[in-house]
Amino acid sequence: EPEVTQTPSHQVTQMGQEVILRCVPISNHLYFYWYRQILGQKVEFLVSFYNNEISEKSEIFDDQFSVERPDGSNFTLKIRSTKLEDSAMYFCASSGLADNTGELFFGEGSRLTVL
Amino acid sequence: KQEVTQIPAALSVPEGENLVLNCSFTDSAIYNLQWFRQDPGKGLTSLLLIQSSQREQTSGRLNASLDKSSGRSTLYIAASQPGDSATYLCAVRYSNYQLIWGAGTKLIIKP
Repeated sequence: EPEVTQTPSHQVTQMGQEVILRCVPISNHLYFYWYRQILGQKVEFLVSFYNNEISEKSEIFDDQFSVERPDGSNFTLKIRSTKLEDSAMYFCASSGLADNTGELFFGEGSRLTVL
Repeated sequence: KQEVTQIPAALSVPEGENLVLNCSFTDSAIYNLQWFRQDPGKGLTSLLLIQSSQREQTSGRLNASLDKSSGRSTLYIAASQPGDSATYLCAVRYSNYQLIWGAGTKLIIKP
């Protein structure tokens, strides 16, 4: 069964360092997302991506964050200068339907620890 | 403000019982609603998706219902098993791209 894959599963970094989280969405899907979950808190929306551009972003997704789909298969989230409060589980998701009413499929997540 | 609430926050029941998890949302103008399962430290596994035009969806021992007018959805789990122990999350899609999430119900099924 097709699945969303994410790497790394866990990354530890020093405050101020750049981090890139990678995702391979399901191959025929059209919409791509990043969500995050701080330990013990609700899942939060970061950004959605469609047709090679950001379709929506939340207040969390400030200038320190960027997304890219560099080669038609990978979908990356970059945090330019990490802060302690960026420590969270980051989930990538994709969905297939053109009208964007479809089911979202999530990866296993990348746990980011900022020291 | 669009909010999603899940009650109870935690539930512990003996194996074999049927149970209901509740999800309520403040804005009834939804596109769809999705139920997920999350095991500790793991990803989000989609269980059921209900479109706004549907009343319920079934998958195996799981049945999800949707009542838009009252802003409620329920997830019914029949004949619970210890392997059902997990956190169950409800997420609502509105007219934009994002899902609004509940805080989840942590379910423990005792053997």
